[in-house]
Amino acid sequence: NAGVTQTPKFQVLKTGQSMTLQCAQDMNHEYMSWYRQDPGMGLRLIHYSVGAGITDQGEVPNGYNVSRSTTEDFPLRLLSAAPSQTSVYFCASSYHGTGRDEQYFGPGTRLTVT
Amino acid sequence: GNSVTQMEGPVTLSEEAFLTINCTYTATGYPSLFWYVQYPGEGLQLLLKATKADDKGSNKGFEATYRKETTSFHLEKGSVQVSDSAVYFCALSPYNAGGTSYGKLTFGQGTILTVHP
Repeated sequence: NAGVTQTPKFQVLKTGQSMTLQCAQDMNHEYMSWYRQDPGMGLRLIHYSVGAGITDQGEVPNGYNVSRSTTEDFPLRLLSAAPSQTSVYFCASSYHGTGRDEQYFGPGTRLTVT
Repeated sequence: GNSVTQMEGPVTLSEEAFLTINCTYTATGYPSLFWYVQYPGEGLQLLLKATKADDKGSNKGFEATYRKETTSFHLEKGSVQVSDSAVYFCALSPYNAGGTSYGKLTFGQGTILTVHP
C-alpha cells in the first residue's frame, strides 16, 4: 500500500492564482481530511469528508473548496491564493469506528504565496 | 468547543534524560486521545493512543495515560535518544452521543524536542 499520497510536494503561487492540491489514499478509508500547519499553531482542520459525496467545513475553511467524488481522492482547491495561505498542507485519512480512528497522514505540500 | 493545550517548548535534553511533555484537553463526552510525532521534513506519524479513561498508550518507550479526572494525557519517556528529536503533537478525536467520530482531530500547538548527545 502506498498509504496517503500528496502532490505536489512544493508549490509557489502568485497572489490571485488558483490551484488544486491532490490527495489520494489506497486503504479504503471512509474519512479524509485536510489540515494546514502553521508555526506555533499546530494543525488546523480545513475541510473533511465522511464518505464519497459528503464534505463539511472544519475550523478554517475560507478560501478553500473540496469535493469527494470517489473514496480514494480528496482534492483541495485554492480559489484565489493569498499570502495568508502560505503554509504546509497535510491530507489525512482514517477508518470509521471506535478504536480504529487514528489518522494516517500524507507527506505534506509546502505552499508559498507571493 | 474542543481544545488541546501542550506545554510550551522548545524542550532541550541530554541523551538518557527523562522526558515529560504535558498535555491537557477540553472536550465534551469521551474523546480518543493521541500523540503524533513529526520528524524533520516528514508528515505526522501516530506515536500512541488511548480511547478511554485510565487507558495507557505506549510505543517505542513512550507512554501516556488517559486521565479523565485531570483531563490530561502527558507524554513520558524514561531515557531519550538523539533519534527522538522531533515535534510532538497531542490531539483529540471527539465522539458524538452515538459513539461515532468524524475523522476530525483537534491538535495542540506542538512541542519541539531536541536531544543532544
